Amino acid sequence: QKEVEQNSGPLSVPEGAIASLNCTYSDRGSQSFFWYRQYSGKSPELIMSIYSNGDKEDGRFTAQLNKASQYVSLLIRDSQPSDSATYLCAVRNQKVTFGIGTKLQVIP
Amino acid sequence: DTAVSQTPKYLVTQMGNDKSIKCEQNLGHDTMYWYKQDSKKFLKIMFSYNNKELIINETVPNRFSPKSPDKAHLNLHINSLELGDSAVYFCASSPGDEQYFGPGTRLTVT
Repeated sequence: QKEVEQNSGPLSVPEGAIASLNCTYSDRGSQSFFWYRQYSGKSPELIMSIYSNGDKEDGRFTAQLNKASQYVSLLIRDSQPSDSATYLCAVRNQKVTFGIGTKLQVIP
Repeated sequence: DTAVSQTPKYLVTQMGNDKSIKCEQNLGHDTMYWYKQDSKKFLKIMFSYNNKELIINETVPNRFSPKSPDKAHLNLHINSLELGDSAVYFCASSPGDEQYFGPGTRLTVT
């Protein structure tokens, strides 16, 4: 079992829709959870961090954490073509482990 | 100014050569990392340093040797380069949990 699992996609959504990105992790002791965005040919950049169960909202982005189900998600409301990128889920226990990333395509 | 910088941005070299990648951060973070992102885009940690001390050393061939002269710099030296070393290498720094990445160095071994 991979430590951090994501569907590699691509996930295609129309402009203005909600994009839902999902991630599961294997280590129940994990304490910190992150979403990074990586544009093609660029470096990852942090967009959200979440540490406790529930939702955390920042603008059009909402991160959701359910530690009992070992599940983290990222919702992007009112998706824009500029949101088209690969979204990396990262989980920290003793070190930060990244998922393979989900490629999101927002269709104008 | 760029917070985490790496040089060079591109590196093309032949098998068997030795090369180095340099990384500098001006964020005042204590922890720095090297990551490798392969052709499948999987981002994997290689090394982590905290205030010049090695704290994470993943299963990386000993041809790879990191060096941290001070907490703002973390360099990566690679001996006897192999085809499988071709990848993008990212340096990152962190104040705690969140990682701030450099622009990456694309290494191509021919």
